[in-house]
Order: sequence, then structure tokens, then C-alpha cells
Amino acid sequence: EADIYQTPRYLVIGTGKKITLECSQTMGHDKMYWYQQDPGMELHLIHYSYGVNSTEKGDLSSESTVSRIRTEHFPLTLESARPSHTSQYLCASSEYEIAGAVTDTQYFGPGTRLTVL
Amino acid sequence: ELKVEQNPLFLSMQEGKNYTIYCNYSTTSDRLYWYRQDPGKSLESLFVLLSNGAVKQEGRLMASLDTKARLSTLHITAAVHDLSATYFCAVAGYGGATNKLIFGTGTLLAVQP
Repeated sequence: EADIYQTPRYLVIGTGKKITLECSQTMGHDKMYWYQQDPGMELHLIHYSYGVNSTEKGDLSSESTVSRIRTEHFPLTLESARPSHTSQYLCASSEYEIAGAVTDTQYFGPGTRLTVL
Repeated sequence: ELKVEQNPLFLSMQEGKNYTIYCNYSTTSDRLYWYRQDPGKSLESLFVLLSNGAVKQEGRLMASLDTKARLSTLHITAAVHDLSATYFCAVAGYGGATNKLIFGTGTLLAVQP
């Protein structure tokens, strides 16, 4: 059973506001990810982390930033939200090997649907 | 650069029929995943395929991997309405734990009564 949580689930804010999307997992996974997905479209990786104090930008350029101070927590921050940031944001985590077997299956949180007016 | 293509993008099928979704990828990979996404929801893991010839089955879904052809298939047997969802394949570049997943465009499956 995958235990990965995102808050808030829905957020409607005005342009220029600073926001932080929270993501936490209780599985002890080293790897965590943020994806952006527009309705009915493919997922685009915007940030990832392979462990504490490790963060990298993904394939899709994003004005957001992330931090990884604790294994279980991977928040995403937008300093100044714009309408172009309106999208669904999905957090995921994975572990490359479990009990000696390669897996690296990514488990996804429920998502945050962000609307910037 | 790893690219992942799925087809068809949209599939409307009748209950009780069989069909196959295809996932092609452009460079060598050692891991391929299938996910399901219901409308407005997050992604749920279905299968992970790790080697050439791997076959996994769960209920009416069966996934297979041909690494030489760089092709995975997701076969649906005797479709039921509950299988209506978007199905994504995702491929990891070859070489170990640091490689990221590249997702396909998704196949929207609509099963009609």
C-alpha cells in the first residue's frame, strides 16, 4: 500500500501570490518527483530528488523550486503564481531496489489541482 | 534522447471485445511501467516489466515487453466498463537507478456497454 500525501488537493489563488504545495511519503523512499499534468495530457517531470539535500530540475522548465531537507518531505514552491501555472501537480516517490529486487515503481499522490486567476 | 509513443491515443470499444494498446520507445531501456489514471484522479501502478519477454497479468489486463523491438503491449481481454480510464506507459533509460521515467502520451480507453 503506497502512502503518499499531497496538500492542498485544490487551490485557487490570485496572480502574484506565493504558494507551497506539500508532499509527504511514509515509505522511506529515497527518490521523489514532481510532475505537471494538464487535463488528459501526458506527465512532464519538473523536479526530482534522489535523497536528502539532492534536487534536480526535470525535463520541463518550471519557475517553481523544491527542497528536500527530510526524506519524507518534498515541498514545491512558486514565488509568484501566474495563470500559466494553472495545472495539476503530481508528487511521486520510488525506491530502486526492495529486498534485492529492482522495482523503482513510482507511487503517486492524489495530486494538487492549482488554478491561478 | 528517449522518446515514448503510445497508440492509439483514443480507443472506444464495446464490452466483451479484446484490444491491444502499443507502447514504442526509441532507445535501450531496462524498465517499463504501465499506469492507469481515472478522470480527475492520480496514477495507479499496474505493471513493471524488467526483462525481454516479461509478461504480467492482472484480471483482464496483460502486459508484455519485447526489448529487442522496443515495444510493450497492454492487452485487454473481454473489456468491461470499469476498465475505462487513461493508460500510460513509462520507460526508464538504460543504466540503473539514476535514470528518470519518460511517460507516453497516454491512451484514453472508453468501454461502451
